[in-house]
Amino acid sequence: EAGVAQSPRYKIIEKRQSVAFWCNPISGHATLYWYQQILGQGPKLLIQFQNNGVVDDSQLPKDRFSAERLKGVDSTLKIQPAKLEDSAVYLCASSLGGKNIQYFGAGTRLSVL
Amino acid sequence: GEDVEQSLFLSVREGDSSVINCTYTDSSSTYLYWYKQEPGAGLQLLTYIFSNMDMKQDQRLTVLLNKKDKHLSLRIADTQTGDSAIYFCAESIGNDYKLSFGAGTTVTVRA
Repeated sequence: EAGVAQSPRYKIIEKRQSVAFWCNPISGHATLYWYQQILGQGPKLLIQFQNNGVVDDSQLPKDRFSAERLKGVDSTLKIQPAKLEDSAVYLCASSLGGKNIQYFGAGTRLSVL
Repeated sequence: GEDVEQSLFLSVREGDSSVINCTYTDSSSTYLYWYKQEPGAGLQLLTYIFSNMDMKQDQRLTVLLNKKDKHLSLRIADTQTGDSAIYFCAESIGNDYKLSFGAGTTVTVRA
């Protein structure tokens, strides 16, 4: 069974530029999560989708971050414009839903210069 | 600060046992998890325990849960060099089972 796929693996941009990350969850997983992991910290939830609907985006900085999961499968996370403090690893996870286990992708490491 | 707290570093000799400790704050947490993260990789689920259990064993891994003290530990028996990684404790919160992670414990296995 294929795992959670994320791309790109690495991205370097200058502040005020835009960037987008892509996630393909495990087939059949209804729930998809985006986490931000700053160096030296644990992952923090940004947004949770159930199929193509948003369950929780309370921690998403909506002035610059946006995410969508239009067909209930793949998802994109966008930052526009990026700030220095957005430098982090962005992890995507998926689960069958509810209390089921979350499976994580390898992440996208973003460096904002 | 983190709601889930862990010690930051642990150094252990190869072949010895490792014990990683964690305290959490939400007494209504239903599941508690241990994830492992190797350099440049995502998080890999190691094991989890339901809140009505006090112990779970899975091969070299033993999880102990003290719900009264909100304390969770992970014991790795016969620690190997491949066990060097960052270990995250996480609790599930609320009806959506959102995960709240600690900052991670970096385990270094020395020969």
